[in-house]
Amino acid sequence: DARVTQTPRHKVTEMGQEVTMRCQPILGHNTVFWYRQTMMQGLELLAYFRNRAPLDDSGMPKDRFSAEMPDATLATLKIQPSEPRDSAVYFCASGQDVDNQPQHFGDGTRLSIL
Amino acid sequence: KQEVTQIPAALSVPEGENLVLNCSFTDSAIYNLQWFRQDPGKGLTSLLLIQSSQREQTSGRLNASLDKSSGRSTLYIAASQPGDSATYLCAVYSGGGADGLTFGKGTHLIIQP
Repeated sequence: DARVTQTPRHKVTEMGQEVTMRCQPILGHNTVFWYRQTMMQGLELLAYFRNRAPLDDSGMPKDRFSAEMPDATLATLKIQPSEPRDSAVYFCASGQDVDNQPQHFGDGTRLSIL
Repeated sequence: KQEVTQIPAALSVPEGENLVLNCSFTDSAIYNLQWFRQDPGKGLTSLLLIQSSQREQTSGRLNASLDKSSGRSTLYIAASQPGDSATYLCAVYSGGGADGLTFGKGTHLIIQP
C-alpha cells in the first residue's frame, strides 16, 4: 500500500534550535497538508499545498514556522527558533485534488523542545 | 468558523457490545465527513468517508451516518472487539479557501476483553 512517509519519527532538541521535519507524499497526490496535534488543542491545520503552491498557511506562527515543497516528492516544515510550546506531534497528509477524496496521513513526527 | 464536537470524550464497554460514537459540526456547508482511527503513537487511519450527498457508508462492522442539515454524524460499531480500542476522530472538509480538515478532539474507546 502507498503511504505518506514522515521523518524523523521522534525529535528532541533544546529551545532555540532549528527543527526540520520532512514528508514524502503518496505518489500522484497533488495536495499536502501539515497538521499539529496537542492534548489541549487536538489536531489543527498549519499549512496546505496544492500542486506545490502554498494555498493556506494561516494556521502557522509565521515568525518562526515555514513550510515548503521543493519538489513533488518532498514537503518540509521548519521551526526556527524552536520553543517549548512547539512540542507536539506534527502530521503530514496528502490527497488528490478532487472533492470527496480522503486525506492519507503519515505516522507523524513527535517533537519535544526542552 | 467550523467547529467539530465529539461525544463522549471517552468510552469503556465490554467486548461484544454494539456502540455509537457521536460527532456534531456547526456549519452544515460541508463537502464530506471523514471518520479516522488513531492508535497510540501512530498516525490516523481513514475508516469511512461520507460525501455530503450521502446518508451513510458501511465498511465491515462499521457504519457511519450523516445528517448534514442537523450537523450530526454517528459511527456505529457492531460486535465490538478488544482490537477496536483506539481513539476515533471525526473530521469535516468544508472546501473553499481553507481546504484542510477540521477535527473533533476524538473519542477514546476501550473495549474490555
